[in-house]
Amino acid sequence: AQSVTQLDSQVPVFEEAPVELRCNYSSSVSVYLFWYVQYPNQGLQLLLKYLSGSTLVKGINGFEAEFNKSQTSFHLRKPSVHISDTAEYFCAVSNTGTASKLTFGTGTRLQVTL
Amino acid sequence: DARVTQTPRHKVTEMGQEVTMRCQPILGHNTVFWYRQTMMQGLELLAYFRNRAPLDDSGMPKDRFSAEMPDATLATLKIQPSEPRDSAVYFCASGGQYTEAFFGQGTRLTVV
Repeated sequence: AQSVTQLDSQVPVFEEAPVELRCNYSSSVSVYLFWYVQYPNQGLQLLLKYLSGSTLVKGINGFEAEFNKSQTSFHLRKPSVHISDTAEYFCAVSNTGTASKLTFGTGTRLQVTL
Repeated sequence: DARVTQTPRHKVTEMGQEVTMRCQPILGHNTVFWYRQTMMQGLELLAYFRNRAPLDDSGMPKDRFSAEMPDATLATLKIQPSEPRDSAVYFCASGGQYTEAFFGQGTRLTVV
């Protein structure tokens, strides 16, 4: 069984400030890791994914994440946020047998203000 | 631009009525998922199919929910009879063994 923990339900941040959204996972097998973003009244859109290779993964909209196997973490970062980054962010894990079968965290609401 | 298409986008129905939600997965994806999103429970996996065969529907209330894939281009989720507690956003997603899941825009269901 797998699980994902997003410790922060809400993260308020000022525009142009850096942000980190935390994600920890638990799994007894090798995993793939994902971050999805959900804007209001929209579906989930893939931000970035870690399947293998370099542990630093770059995604869309200037986001990046680092896979840390020893700490079972996959934290999402952006050096300078914009108002348009306000959204719900979900961390998800799948096993390497089926990349698309996801276990989601509870989500982190990123609120960017001026 | 390939995408997962869900219909309808919004549905308001009275308690006791049948509701059918439809999903057209991305061509070539062999795995289709149905999720439900609520404020209280977050994203819950209801059921999923691989190569049109149901693999897991343990997340669905069996007495009122049913999911099918009559062909590779259509997945359906039915609720009969619907109840107010079924009010939620229902997402369809498709993907593959080595392909991440792509989500549709969702069906917002309100049961009054």
